[in-house]
Amino acid sequence: GESVGLHLPTLSVQEGDNSIINCAYSNSASDYFIWYKQESGKGPQFIIDIRSNMDKRQGQRVTVLLNKTVKHLSLQIAATQPGDSAVYFCAETIPARQLTFGSGTQLTVLP
Amino acid sequence: DSGVTQTPKHLITATGQRVTLRCSPRSGDLSVYWYQQSLDQGLQFLIQYYNGEERAKGNILERFSAQQFPDLHSELNLSSLELGDSALYFCASSVDLVSETQYFGPGTRLLVL
Repeated sequence: GESVGLHLPTLSVQEGDNSIINCAYSNSASDYFIWYKQESGKGPQFIIDIRSNMDKRQGQRVTVLLNKTVKHLSLQIAATQPGDSAVYFCAETIPARQLTFGSGTQLTVLP
Repeated sequence: DSGVTQTPKHLITATGQRVTLRCSPRSGDLSVYWYQQSLDQGLQFLIQYYNGEERAKGNILERFSAQQFPDLHSELNLSSLELGDSALYFCASSVDLVSETQYFGPGTRLLVL
């Protein structure tokens, strides 16, 4: 059959604005979550992580929010820059199990 | 730079052939993971090795195999290649068996013609 490209959700933001990328996870037993950034032609790059006993964690220009009630994870990028353009993946894991990756969101930063 | 290295960066081969992809983990990391990333399936976990032993298997085909050597580098062997095996293959490493944080290499882009 015909091969269809993976349809990624997209987000376009103006340079300097804040970005919010969302991720819904399915396993209520997941206790560790990671955000990865993948630039074109490169491997996924670790950005920030959070454990299920937290609901917020901040890094440099990035913040991850975790809402376990609705199984939702978000990545906030402050003052988005052109270098932030990439595909962003969330990943979840339960103890002693492998990471499960979401399908990703394509972030495009407009000049 | 994650500290994980992969060779080759690009590989073009024909159907039915066999190739070997190589990965060196970050210094000190004992676990190595292999992933396949294709356009229609996203990032799929293939297999994990820890300190030389296979520890977990994901969606890895029987035509594919891997091993981890005493120096902790790993190789992924892909045989009887099909067009659908064309993809990016990533290696990742982590400190120990259950470290969730994995650091990815730059990948090998495989094209099967």
